[in-house]
Amino acid sequence: AQSVAQPEDQVNVAEGNPLTVKCTYSVSGNPYLFWYVQYPNRGLQFLLKYITGDNLVKGSYGFEAEFNKSQTSFHLKKPSALVSDSALYFCAVRVRNSGNTPLVFGKGTRLSVIA
Amino acid sequence: DTGVSQDPRHKITKRGQNVTFRCDPISEHNRLYWYRQTLGQGPEFLTYFQNEAQLEKSRLLSDRFSAERPKGSFSTLEIQRTEQGDSAMYLCASTKGGPQSGQETQYFGPGTRLLVL
Repeated sequence: AQSVAQPEDQVNVAEGNPLTVKCTYSVSGNPYLFWYVQYPNRGLQFLLKYITGDNLVKGSYGFEAEFNKSQTSFHLKKPSALVSDSALYFCAVRVRNSGNTPLVFGKGTRLSVIA
Repeated sequence: DTGVSQDPRHKITKRGQNVTFRCDPISEHNRLYWYRQTLGQGPEFLTYFQNEAQLEKSRLLSDRFSAERPKGSFSTLEIQRTEQGDSAMYLCASTKGGPQSGQETQYFGPGTRLLVL
């Protein structure tokens, strides 16, 4: 079975500082990995995904994530946080070549960027 | 905006009543997913359609839940005899791709928030 762990329920960071939101995964096979962001009372918005190739993936709004196979991690990063980045962030995984199995999501990490 | 839309956005009902939610996917997307999200949790898969065929159902989908996608376009999710435990955000997502890919991005609608009193 596949699973995702987001070890931090909440991450606080000062505006302008770099941010990291952690994600580790467990799958029996090679993964596809995704990050989504959710603003209050809204659906999930896609940020970025890792499929294959370069381990550093760049996405929307200046976010990037690094796939680390040995550590089974896919941490989300941004060099300089904005107050508007404050939201709920979800990591999700799907096993490669598993057909159309659904995404498995972590519990989410609430990011709070303080001015 | 041609994204995924869901209706209604909010629904308050009394325990025991039936409710139905609608999802309109992005027009060229052949796959449609329903997820449920409770407070403090990530979305959990309920069911999935490819065109009009319902291909997979989660064990979370009790016999009080039914979903349809009659013409391979919009989908409905009905909950019969609602219970307080059904209170959640119900999310719909759509995507387009081949039969064995799996790398496609799922695009989510704004969700329907259900409160069962």
